[in-house]
Amino acid sequence: ETGVTQSPTHLIKTRGQQVTLRCSSQSGHNTVSWYQQALGQGPQFIFQYYREEENGRGNFPPRFSGLQFPNYSSELNVNALELDDSALYLCASSRQREGFYEQYFGPGTRLTVT
Amino acid sequence: EDQVTQSPEALRLQEGESSSLNCSYTVSGLRGLFWYRQDPGKGPEFLFTLYSAGEEKEKERLKATLTKKESFLHITAPKPEDSATYLCAVLNSGYALNFGKGTSLLVTP
Repeated sequence: ETGVTQSPTHLIKTRGQQVTLRCSSQSGHNTVSWYQQALGQGPQFIFQYYREEENGRGNFPPRFSGLQFPNYSSELNVNALELDDSALYLCASSRQREGFYEQYFGPGTRLTVT
Repeated sequence: EDQVTQSPEALRLQEGESSSLNCSYTVSGLRGLFWYRQDPGKGPEFLFTLYSAGEEKEKERLKATLTKKESFLHITAPKPEDSATYLCAVLNSGYALNFGKGTSLLVTP
């Protein structure tokens, strides 16, 4: 069984630039959630995708957007990067099924904005 | 609004010294409480899901319990390899896991 993978591992961008992060979900999973984790904090929910549509969104501005593809992989796009966007970005996959709510995380992408 | 508070923020144990981590929560319509382990710079690793008060789950030296207001992660005879940050999260009727800030555990030989 293949776990959740993310790319790239690390990324350095300049304020105002745009970035795309990628995630491949675990085999058999059809839902992808994205989280932002600042240093010393717990992960914060950005949004979730199911059947290629946004299925819920946290308290993040519209410059955070995403996509899910037919193979259930996903992208997170962030426009107009700000210094505060520096964080570990985590992707989690799960099966959308009543009574089964575990989310399995990838290794994360460390984004540094200078 | 859902709230998850973990204590202590940091814990240092001698190898073999058992202890417990606490996760207190307020949530409307709990669908599950989750424990994760996170090593520095890595993604959280799933440990347990608890669904209802009174439920308990065990894995090696770890045991998780749940009441209506809090959950405990008991660590029995810890080893240095148990050193990590332990995260607690709740899922309500929505889609998002709501995490606490975590407890950083250091086990020394």
